Amino acid sequence: EADIYQTPRYLVIGTGKKITLECSQTMGHDKMYWYQQDPGMELHLIHYSYGVNSTEKGDLSSESTVSRIRTEHFPLTLESARPSHTSQYLCASSEITSAYNEQFFGPGTRLTVL
Amino acid sequence: GNSVTQMEGPVTLSEEAFLTINCTYTATGYPSLFWYVQYPGEGLQLLLKATKADDKGSNKGFEATYRKETTSFHLEKGSVQVSDSAVYFCALSEEEKLTFGTGTRLTIIP
Repeated sequence: EADIYQTPRYLVIGTGKKITLECSQTMGHDKMYWYQQDPGMELHLIHYSYGVNSTEKGDLSSESTVSRIRTEHFPLTLESARPSHTSQYLCASSEITSAYNEQFFGPGTRLTVL
Repeated sequence: GNSVTQMEGPVTLSEEAFLTINCTYTATGYPSLFWYVQYPGEGLQLLLKATKADDKGSNKGFEATYRKETTSFHLEKGSVQVSDSAVYFCALSEEEKLTFGTGTRLTIIP
């Protein structure tokens, strides 16, 4: 069954730790996205990718980085986590040929930095 | 630039009530329009979409019509259920990006 997965679902860590949030999709989609969702529910695009070796910054500046070495995998890394990074992170993907840019979302990772 | 303005929440309704969540948009071209739903503890799921003017998207009893003249895409359901309690996001797609509204939290009480 085609789907999009995120791990871990919940993560509580201390300040200064390096973390990687995993995102994988089995739909063969070329385009992938990372959104940050604040407690007020608003979604902000922080990174996206058109395919392997493509990464772009989104509308909201973020201290995180991403990589796209394989089509199905789009991990997000924070080198040194801070309390201001506490948020929900949502990964999404879509077909590059989709005229409507319908995006499919993973379940999210809720990150808490103490 | 593109923007989506969504009805402020939270919205609380009794079961079987009629639901309307307003959504208006600003876009430079001819965007596609979407409603996404987020259930507690989950990611977003596509609820319905419309890709051109006068299209009506529908799913699970929800409907929304793409109104170009009023730049609107209001979400409606004739009789809501407790299971419809969730956060609803209106979104538009143009230039390969989605622009989301701020979300409306809907709570249905039995």
